[in-house]
Amino acid sequence: DTGVSQDPRHKITKRGQNVTFRCDPISEHNRLYWYRQTLGQGPEFLTYFQNEAQLEKSRLLSDRFSAERPKGSFSTLEIQRTEQGDSAMYLCASSQGQDNEKLFFGSGTQLSVL
Amino acid sequence: RKEVEQDPGPFNVPEGATVAFNCTYSNSASQSFFWYRQDCRKEPKLLMSVYSSGNEDGRFTAQLNRASQYISLLIRDSKLSDSATYLCVVRGNNDMRFGAGTRLTVKP
Repeated sequence: DTGVSQDPRHKITKRGQNVTFRCDPISEHNRLYWYRQTLGQGPEFLTYFQNEAQLEKSRLLSDRFSAERPKGSFSTLEIQRTEQGDSAMYLCASSQGQDNEKLFFGSGTQLSVL
Repeated sequence: RKEVEQDPGPFNVPEGATVAFNCTYSNSASQSFFWYRQDCRKEPKLLMSVYSSGNEDGRFTAQLNRASQYISLLIRDSKLSDSATYLCVVRGNNDMRFGAGTRLTVKP
């Protein structure tokens, strides 16, 4: 499977715990995006990487959220001290870059904070 | 004001109907525009890009009006399989912003 893969598919955690999600983009894609989606809403932009550089971060992203993309390959999204409001589907997408902006999404990680 | 706004619908139409969705965006510096389709409990997938000159892909026609900061999607001869949520997407400098989506249900 050469698509975007995300792990885990589902995560249930208790309020206050830390969670980390992983995204493996399509190998030749240098752009990587993280989105959050709740029921009935469109994907909400969280952050964007060009290779290993984090070029954009949403104002909505509190300091409890951090993302990395070491070596410009896979990416991780960590949420510290989770809150019930963090419950959502976390989607990762990648694209080739300037000449091909088509986003390929992973299946997402569904987070439930109890 | 949201950066990308869409009528959430739902639109319930019979098979064979023509349906149009609209989208407005707030950032006049936006550079690229797209329509994505999202089926229930699935990830979004690109339907088509939107160009200033307008573009067509089979039963689907997309148009862009930069002066009005407005994007549209027209679906002709709608099929049951067109039932989905249609997401308007706008690219700024370093991000891709999605609208909340318009839900379409095509009924027999």
